[in-house]
Amino acid sequence: DTGVSQDPRHKITKRGQNVTFRCDPISEHNRLYWYRQTLGQGPEFLTYFQNEAQLEKSRLLSDRFSAERPKGSFSTLEIQRTEQGDSAMYLCASSLGRPYRVASPLHFGNGTRLTVT
Amino acid sequence: RKEVEQDPGPFNVPEGATVAFNCTYSNSASQSFFWYRQDCRKEPKLLMSVYSSGNEDGRFTAQLNRASQYISLLIRDSKLSDSATYLCVGGTLNKFYFGSGTKLNVKP
Repeated sequence: DTGVSQDPRHKITKRGQNVTFRCDPISEHNRLYWYRQTLGQGPEFLTYFQNEAQLEKSRLLSDRFSAERPKGSFSTLEIQRTEQGDSAMYLCASSLGRPYRVASPLHFGNGTRLTVT
Repeated sequence: RKEVEQDPGPFNVPEGATVAFNCTYSNSASQSFFWYRQDCRKEPKLLMSVYSSGNEDGRFTAQLNRASQYISLLIRDSKLSDSATYLCVGGTLNKFYFGSGTKLNVKP
């Protein structure tokens, strides 16, 4: 399977704990995105990388959230001191980005469902 | 104001019906448009890209109206398996904004 993979699929944690999620994009894709989705809403942009560079972060992303893509391949999203409001589906997506060209569509992983108790 | 807005529905239609969804976007610089389908508790999956001249893929037709800043999706001859949430996406060269989705229920 050469699609986007995310790990873990589900995570239950207690408020105040730290959690880390991993995303492995489609291998030839240079762009990697993190989105968050809550019930009844569409995916909400969090951040994206082009290769290893984090080019943009949403203003909604508090200081407790950090993402890395150290070698331009897989990415991790860490949430420190989790809060109940962090409960959501965290989706990773990748795409092939080319300079000055219309973006190619996003391909999503299965997501990580986080429940903070 | 949200970047992309959609009627949340639900649209309840009988099998075989034709149904249309519209979506508006606020950023006139948007250049990339897509429709995604999302089943309950699953990830979004690309249904089709939307091109300026409009495009068709089987029973699905997508249109873009840049002057009015909206895109549409038409589904003909609805099937039970079309029941899902349809997400409209507008984006620039490197950033994508999703609508909240329109729920479609196709009934026998």
